[in-house]
Amino acid sequence: GAVVSQHPSRVICKSGTSVKIECRSLDFQATTMFWYRQFPKQSLMLMATSNEGSKATYEQGVEKDKFLINHASLTLSTLTVTSAHPEDSSFYICSARDGTSGRARSYNEQFFGPGTRLTVL
Amino acid sequence: GENVEQHPSTLSVQEGDSAVIKCTYSDSASNYFPWYKQELGKRPQLIIDIRSNVGEKKDQRIAVTLNKTAKHFSLHITETQPEDSAVYFCAASRSNQGGKLIFGQGTELSVKP
Repeated sequence: GAVVSQHPSRVICKSGTSVKIECRSLDFQATTMFWYRQFPKQSLMLMATSNEGSKATYEQGVEKDKFLINHASLTLSTLTVTSAHPEDSSFYICSARDGTSGRARSYNEQFFGPGTRLTVL
Repeated sequence: GENVEQHPSTLSVQEGDSAVIKCTYSDSASNYFPWYKQELGKRPQLIIDIRSNVGEKKDQRIAVTLNKTAKHFSLHITETQPEDSAVYFCAASRSNQGGKLIFGQGTELSVKP
């Protein structure tokens, strides 16, 4: 199936610093990428949807100035958590939708990255 | 806004028994309903999905049913095995919203040997 990678897998940072997380589609072109946040024992909450070459669409309650999303190419999207605080500690997962190759079983199928565990001290 | 409710939150079954997880969705325009299995600290894995033009789909021990009128869909796992133990999430999306997924709250399934 289609492969999505994330880097780093784990990151620990001090409060007030910024952290960048990369999401890459390795063998397909991702026309759309999604960023989710998952707190322990909770569900995946969609943060934003990003389409290559355009501004991300943020879900209600997600601060766009704090969570900067860039989707500069069809294979790479980045999420930057600016001025991170302990309450931002979470599991961040990206997913990508393959809108071109037809590898997806469904037009809406999303391929998930392995996630990034962020801990803010 | 869109909402997906999932029940139960925890489910414990004996090996070999069946497990059923149910979800309801609020957006009548939703047309794609995937189910994911997530093990601790790992990415969600798609295990089965169904589109709104189909009422039922089966893949070996796993089946999904969809009732569009009632806006609910269910996951059925038969002959459960200990390795089925994980958290299962349902989700719903619609094509004209860019395919964004709205997830249910999750069900922690425990299969006891």
